[in-house]
Amino acid sequence: NAGVTQTPKFRVLKTGQSMTLLCAQDMNHEYMYWYRQDPGMGLRLIHYSVGEGTTAKGEVPDGYNVSRLKKQNFLLGLESAAPSQTSVYFCASSFDRAGNQPQHFGDGTRLSIL
Amino acid sequence: GDSVTQMEGPVTLSEEAFLTINCTYTATGYPSLFWYVQYPGEGLQLLLKATKADDKGSNKGFEATYRKETTSFHLEKGSVQVSDSAVYFCALNGRANQFYFGTGTSLTVIP
Repeated sequence: NAGVTQTPKFRVLKTGQSMTLLCAQDMNHEYMYWYRQDPGMGLRLIHYSVGEGTTAKGEVPDGYNVSRLKKQNFLLGLESAAPSQTSVYFCASSFDRAGNQPQHFGDGTRLSIL
Repeated sequence: GDSVTQMEGPVTLSEEAFLTINCTYTATGYPSLFWYVQYPGEGLQLLLKATKADDKGSNKGFEATYRKETTSFHLEKGSVQVSDSAVYFCALNGRANQFYFGTGTSLTVIP
């Protein structure tokens, strides 16, 4: 029972480098989300997807891009990493839009930008 | 817009003490409300939920009641254990199925 799996778990980048974070879920969920977690600020939504082939901006989308080419995968890209993007990134998924379904989270990716 | 406000921590309690973590919300319509728990180095896990007014969510000795009149969803536990030490997040499912999270409350329970 994998649930939501994030890779990698840790990464250190230099300013200006690019990378992609992968999120995979095996629960056949329609909705997927990317959050960042910073001290004292809770979770902030970066981008989300309501189904395969769709993406939408969340609260803090600048500097990030996403793709949902397959229903089970949701990729988060950083084209040119900046120190302000040092954070813990969480992926989540949920079944439907009924409003009473919880989100299921991965264990996070700890990203440091030097 | 939709938002969640929860009490700031950190909270430190002795084992077997009573716990209350306050959470209030602002939302249009009738959102579902959730409490999540995050243990060190892990992602958030659903602790309990309530989907309509006066519903009580409960799990592992924790309880929270959806109070529409006070727009609150306070988390309570009668007797905390060391293993309850974690960060607790209040959240609501608002418009367009977007979740809004509080800033989290860190709880440390000492023996």
